[in-house]
Amino acid sequence: DTAVSQTPKYLVTQMGNDKSIKCEQNLGHDTMYWYKQDSKKFLKIMFSYNNKELIINETVPNRFSPKSPDKAHLNLHINSLELGDSAVYFCASSRLDSGGQGTDTQYFGPGTRLTVL
Amino acid sequence: GEDVEQSLFLSVREGDSSVINCTYTDSSSTYLYWYKQEPGAGLQLLTYIFSNMDMKQDQRLTVLLNKKDKHLSLRIADTQTGDSAIYFCAEDSNSGYALNFGKGTSLLVTP
Repeated sequence: DTAVSQTPKYLVTQMGNDKSIKCEQNLGHDTMYWYKQDSKKFLKIMFSYNNKELIINETVPNRFSPKSPDKAHLNLHINSLELGDSAVYFCASSRLDSGGQGTDTQYFGPGTRLTVL
Repeated sequence: GEDVEQSLFLSVREGDSSVINCTYTDSSSTYLYWYKQEPGAGLQLLTYIFSNMDMKQDQRLTVLLNKKDKHLSLRIADTQTGDSAIYFCAEDSNSGYALNFGKGTSLLVTP
């Protein structure tokens, strides 16, 4: 009965590879997010999607491409991985609707630790 | 995170109260949040406060909000070793579709 789940939990890969991280929420929420947490634990929003539409793209390199096949899923695909992409990536969801109504209380997944060698 | 400031470390003895402070800059924030992150784990929502409230109490947790000074605090009564974690303060962003997080306060509870 996990609310927000991510796979994989750990991802170790070589520079230059392409990888994907998957996220699913079973809370019936309209909005999903990707955050990046760096080695200093600083959390920063990358993307937010409402009902499969991109709402926020916070100056993230084009190598990062989110894909939302449906409201319950928001996957993150990363091309040409770089050393600086090593971080923990968190998916989250909230009930916020397209009009910005509802609570923004966000529920987070367990995170995916990406290590680029 | 540059708009939300927190002290980085706090150490308390078991049984004492802990107070974690946060300052934010966006006066239009509707909600302010406290999240807890245990080592190697995700973020757990602890509590949140609506911006028109001054205080919210939830068992051992007390949140105080001073809108005039844009100051938020989290008090944990009778702190236990299991409370050792990083605590993040967060505010609604201007867009309403993201949270701005502080850099987190590492709380260490010693026996």
